[in-house]
Amino acid sequence: DQQVKQNSPSLSVQEGRISILNCDYTNSMFDYFLWYKKYPAEGPTFLISISSIKDKNEDGRFTVFLNKSAKHLSLHIVPSQPGDSAVYFCAATDSGTYKYIFGTGTRLKVLA
Amino acid sequence: DAGVTQSPTHLIKTRGQQVTLRCSPISGHKSVSWYQQVLGQGPQFIFQYYEKEERGRGNFPDRFSARQFPNYSSELNVNALLLGDSALYLCASSHLPSGRDNEQFFGPGTRLTVL
Repeated sequence: DQQVKQNSPSLSVQEGRISILNCDYTNSMFDYFLWYKKYPAEGPTFLISISSIKDKNEDGRFTVFLNKSAKHLSLHIVPSQPGDSAVYFCAATDSGTYKYIFGTGTRLKVLA
Repeated sequence: DAGVTQSPTHLIKTRGQQVTLRCSPISGHKSVSWYQQVLGQGPQFIFQYYEKEERGRGNFPDRFSARQFPNYSSELNVNALLLGDSALYLCASSHLPSGRDNEQFFGPGTRLTVL
């Protein structure tokens, strides 16, 4: 039972344009969501998070949007840069518990 | 500041053997979690330890065990290795075991190959 889904395994975007990565979840108990970026041979690096009491959180070029009614969140990267090319994982947790549930990841390729 | 460190970086074992993986958390972090990432999948939760006590366990067999030491470092042990245990094993640390604004920070992982 995949509680967190990233339905796009890959995405290619031109440098300077917007990258939009999507994530869906099924568990209504999730109240904290995170995005991680992963380069080959490295562990996931925390990017940005959002609590369920918000619908948007922004940090520089990265913005996460949360639509609770649709159980959907998205990560926007503007403008996209070649260094953003990596695998992006969405994760969710019930903040009263101890574990993150990860999606399967989306491989982003930013073309120069 | 040093991030989460893991050792070894790579490991090759044969079926039936036992393996121990090690993790040192970020200084000041008291919670350590272990995840398994197989190719093409996201990380899957195995264990969490906080203040040397197990706080949670994922859906993994009893062949998997872990412990946390007084200095908050941790070991993950896997007995009777199977081919399917081949994966990247990730350690993550955080200040607290759970809660908002308490992100987990990951180490580079240990790549285990079982032949």
